[in-house]
Amino acid sequence: AQSVTQLGSHVSVSEGALVLLRCNYSSSVPPYLFWYVQYPNQGLQLLLKYTTGATLVKGINGFEAEFKKSETSFHLTKPSAHMSDAAEYFCAAGNTGGFKTIFGAGTRLFVKA
Amino acid sequence: NAGVTQTPKFRVLKTGQSMTLLCAQDMNHEYMYWYRQDPGMGLRLIHYSVGEGTTAKGEVPDGYNVSRLKKQNFLLGLESAAPSQTSVYFCASSPGGGQPQHFGDGTRLSIL
Repeated sequence: AQSVTQLGSHVSVSEGALVLLRCNYSSSVPPYLFWYVQYPNQGLQLLLKYTTGATLVKGINGFEAEFKKSETSFHLTKPSAHMSDAAEYFCAAGNTGGFKTIFGAGTRLFVKA
Repeated sequence: NAGVTQTPKFRVLKTGQSMTLLCAQDMNHEYMYWYRQDPGMGLRLIHYSVGEGTTAKGEVPDGYNVSRLKKQNFLLGLESAAPSQTSVYFCASSPGGGQPQHFGDGTRLSIL
């Protein structure tokens, strides 16, 4: 069964520092992979997605993620954190034509001034 | 530019009561979804619809029913609410593909 694991329920960085949020998936078939962001009292917003092709995917707000098949990982990065990046981030995986998008438990990002 | 709108935003119910959550989207999307979000568990799919008049079960459908009589609306019903259904419920839509793209702001439901 497919699963998504996000390492660290909470991550804290200083403003201007690198953001690295980790995501690993388990699947015998490379899935579609997604990162969503959720601000307080709001729904999820799609940050970026990987389906096929280029393994480095760029998203909104300066975020990017790299699909590494050998490591079954899809880590999210941003070179320089901003206070407005403080939110909860969800990694998700889905398969072609399927409706069972599996979400990770989420990682809350704190940004210190 | 409303996107996905959920009503109500908050609700407190007593065990055994029934209620309906409404989701409306103005993007002409074919696919709509209902998720529940619980602490430390991410989102879990309750039911989904691939078009007007169609519905299907997701990961955690027990205790819920849905209807999609109009393309823009997707209703989630709780016939007899239980404390285990205390959660935040999210509706989402997408033009296709099976992966949700646009989410509403959620309905916070407490069952006492």
